[in-house]
Amino acid sequence: DGGITQSPKYLFRKEGQNVTLSCEQNLNHDAMYWYRQDPGQGLRLIYYSQIVNDFQKGDIAEGYSVSREKKESFPLTVTSAQKNPTAFYLCASSIVLAGQETFFGQGTRLTVV
Amino acid sequence: GIQVEQSPPDLILQEGANSTLRCNFSDSVNNLQWFHQNPWGQLINLFYIPSGTKQNGRLSATTVATERYSLLYISSSQTTDSGVYFCAVVSEYGNKLVFGAGTILRVKS
Repeated sequence: DGGITQSPKYLFRKEGQNVTLSCEQNLNHDAMYWYRQDPGQGLRLIYYSQIVNDFQKGDIAEGYSVSREKKESFPLTVTSAQKNPTAFYLCASSIVLAGQETFFGQGTRLTVV
Repeated sequence: GIQVEQSPPDLILQEGANSTLRCNFSDSVNNLQWFHQNPWGQLINLFYIPSGTKQNGRLSATTVATERYSLLYISSSQTTDSGVYFCAVVSEYGNKLVFGAGTILRVKS
């Protein structure tokens, strides 16, 4: 099946630890994105990438890092510098940057304990 | 940047009722999508509709780009329609999808 796979579905992290969220797509899309959603709110853009080996900061990039070494993969690292990391994280992709339809993965719920 | 406002923020319907959700945006757009977020958090694509009208079963959507708004119609609502409905746009000179705050829909049986 074509789609976007995020793992894990649930993640618990101790304060001060870095954690990496996985996102893989087999849609052959060039552009990929990471969004954050807090309870009762819309989605905010963390990072985006329009092509392999290139990525740009979104609106709330502080405390996060990404890499894009392969077209199908766009992992997000939540670092210890992120002051309030507990949230729902959604990965997305589209054929080209901001072009046509954007599709989303099922999300990873991160909780800091 | 572009602003996206959705109304109403909350809506409670009896099963079988019809509803209209609205999305206003502050600038010209190249891209507009409607999503349904189910109780498990999954964002489901409903419509890609930067202009015009589309229908898919009980759902339809209309975007009037010149007047900067889009409407999502839900007819004969079912309990499975419950969830949050998001409108998201890409402005004419932008490169990212910007989301509204969403409309929370509760359909009662």
